[in-house]
Amino acid sequence: ILNVEQSPQSLHVQEGDSTNFTCSFPSSNFYALHWYRWETAKSPEALFVMTLNGDEKKKGRISATLNTKEGYSYLYIKGSQPEDSATYLCAFKGGATNKLIFGTGTLLAVQP
Amino acid sequence: DSGVTQTPKHLITATGQRVTLRCSPRSGDLSVYWYQQSLDQGLQFLIQYYNGEERAKGNILERFSAQQFPDLHSELNLSSLELGDSALYFCASSVGGGEGEQYFGPGTRLTVT
Repeated sequence: ILNVEQSPQSLHVQEGDSTNFTCSFPSSNFYALHWYRWETAKSPEALFVMTLNGDEKKKGRISATLNTKEGYSYLYIKGSQPEDSATYLCAFKGGATNKLIFGTGTLLAVQP
Repeated sequence: DSGVTQTPKHLITATGQRVTLRCSPRSGDLSVYWYQQSLDQGLQFLIQYYNGEERAKGNILERFSAQQFPDLHSELNLSSLELGDSALYFCASSVGGGEGEQYFGPGTRLTVT
């Protein structure tokens, strides 16, 4: 059974704080790691797809890093804003299959 | 708006019944994926179709089936419904066979009473 774990489960920060969370995934047979942002009452929205060890991707104030050898990825948000409040999901794709295995997410709440 | 449409938005039905959920992918996308989001679980992959053919299968129950039509829209059929099938069902699409990001539809909330 492939396990994708995210920590922390939830996070409350103040506006302007920078924050980061972790996604852990199997280090063998890696193909890709996806990050999605899921706002309440909306559908998941793709942030990044990362495929290479050492990959760093950035979109505005949000960035992500990838370490496939040790099986983890970090998502960073610089200067959090209330509109960043959402659940952040990571999903692992192994080489043998087209299945995306999602973690249970990190719920971020940014207080104004 | 991701460009993926799903109908209906909400569905309430009784145990033992059969329902069909419909998904239209983004224009140009060949892959359609179905996911189930239950209250106590994360997004669970059910099945993927690519250009009309089944490409990957997840933990989809035998009571569930799906297909992708020549116009690339997809339907997920759920039969002999049980209370535990109540969930949010998402459809997603992608351009290729599974490499890139997936674009999610708004979901269909199914309530089985």
